[in-house]
Amino acid sequence: GDSVTQMEGPVTLSEEAFLTINCTYTATGYPSLFWYVQYPGEGLQLLLKATKADDKGSNKGFEATYRKETTSFHLEKGSVQVSDSAVYFCALSAYNFNKFYFGSGTKLNVKP
Amino acid sequence: SQTIHQWPATLVQPVGSPLSLECTVEGTSNPNLYWYRQAAGRGLQLLFYSVGIGQISSEVPQNLSASRPQDRQFILSSKKLLLSDSGFYLCAWSLSFNHPEAFFGQGTRLTVV
Repeated sequence: GDSVTQMEGPVTLSEEAFLTINCTYTATGYPSLFWYVQYPGEGLQLLLKATKADDKGSNKGFEATYRKETTSFHLEKGSVQVSDSAVYFCALSAYNFNKFYFGSGTKLNVKP
Repeated sequence: SQTIHQWPATLVQPVGSPLSLECTVEGTSNPNLYWYRQAAGRGLQLLFYSVGIGQISSEVPQNLSASRPQDRQFILSSKKLLLSDSGFYLCAWSLSFNHPEAFFGQGTRLTVV
């Protein structure tokens, strides 16, 4: 079945460091891929998305490229800030768009 | 614009008591609706999803049930809560096909004591 695997956390970085959070997926057909961010005590917010192979989603300095050949959608940011500290979830939407599958989440801690 | 409302924000309930969490969506029609549970420090578990009024699909057998009495209303219920029902419950909505992303409510923190 469809699934998402993302790197274990927590990830601890200093401010202005480069961030990569790995995400790979298994899916039949052609899923859409997403990154969501969750701040403490809140719901999930959509960070970025990509709906087809080679698409690059970007928002607030974060980027991720839909790589069909490696079934990956890694999240990157060139220079993290303390305010980026949160839990990040990789997700996919199945072909029929009726289901979403989430990774286990990666907690990011950014130190000043 | 579309908005999703979920309440209450926090809830403390004794074991064996009933539960009713409500979620409503505004600004769209015929959305797909979802209930997720997030246990402490863990990922999201899909509990139920619905593609229309009265149409409920259950992903995990459990002590909970869901209902969709109106197009934009989704209710999560239990007749008797267990300690293991504690967690963070999230409602979400999406539209099919051209708009594949899901949008989440602010969540309900349920503690069963």
